[in-house]
Amino acid sequence: GESVGLHLPTLSVQEGDNSIINCAYSNSASDYFIWYKQESGKGPQFIIDIRSNMDKRQGQRVTVLLNKTVKHLSLQIAATQPGDSAVYFCAENTGNQFYFGTGTSLTVIP
Amino acid sequence: DAGVIQSPRHEVTEMGQEVTLRCKPISGHDYLFWYRQTMMRGLELLIYFNNNVPIDDSGMPEDRFSAKMPNASFSTLKIQPSEPRDSAVYFCASSLGGQGREAFFGQGTRLTVV
Repeated sequence: GESVGLHLPTLSVQEGDNSIINCAYSNSASDYFIWYKQESGKGPQFIIDIRSNMDKRQGQRVTVLLNKTVKHLSLQIAATQPGDSAVYFCAENTGNQFYFGTGTSLTVIP
Repeated sequence: DAGVIQSPRHEVTEMGQEVTLRCKPISGHDYLFWYRQTMMRGLELLIYFNNNVPIDDSGMPEDRFSAKMPNASFSTLKIQPSEPRDSAVYFCASSLGGQGREAFFGQGTRLTVV
């Protein structure tokens, strides 16, 4: 029979525009969060992290925002490029383990 | 450092056969994680080790799955006997320190059980 997979949220943006990818996490005790990027056929790759004592952290072209009140993370990518096309996962660190969200598929339209 | 190294990259096996996946973590890292990724369930943690000792194997789906870490530079994930529903991409990751530390992932092993 037909298999049903996860309904991966998708986001399509024009090259050069800014992208915002959102993530809701589950455990209010989580104190460390990471955004990973996964390209086709590869393992997840670290992009940026943030600790729970912060609400914003900036990297090169990327910014992560953390709202602990509503348990929400977002990843902002400035001037999105074709090479940014991938699946993006947020991961929350509870104890010594990471728990991953279902991911968002980002497609950049040239 | 070459990063986390997994082998093989691809494995096709027949149902009922034993499958062994291998992982070499980044030198000096003291945590090692095995994950499974499927379209149905996303990325799931199977088991993790700290200083070669299994700490939490609650994610291991069945007794058919077992993992070992005989030394700091090598770990295996074994499935015996394998079943078609075990088909997935299996990732190994390592980190220096557990809580609050970035985990580095290998390229994964794509397992197909026919």
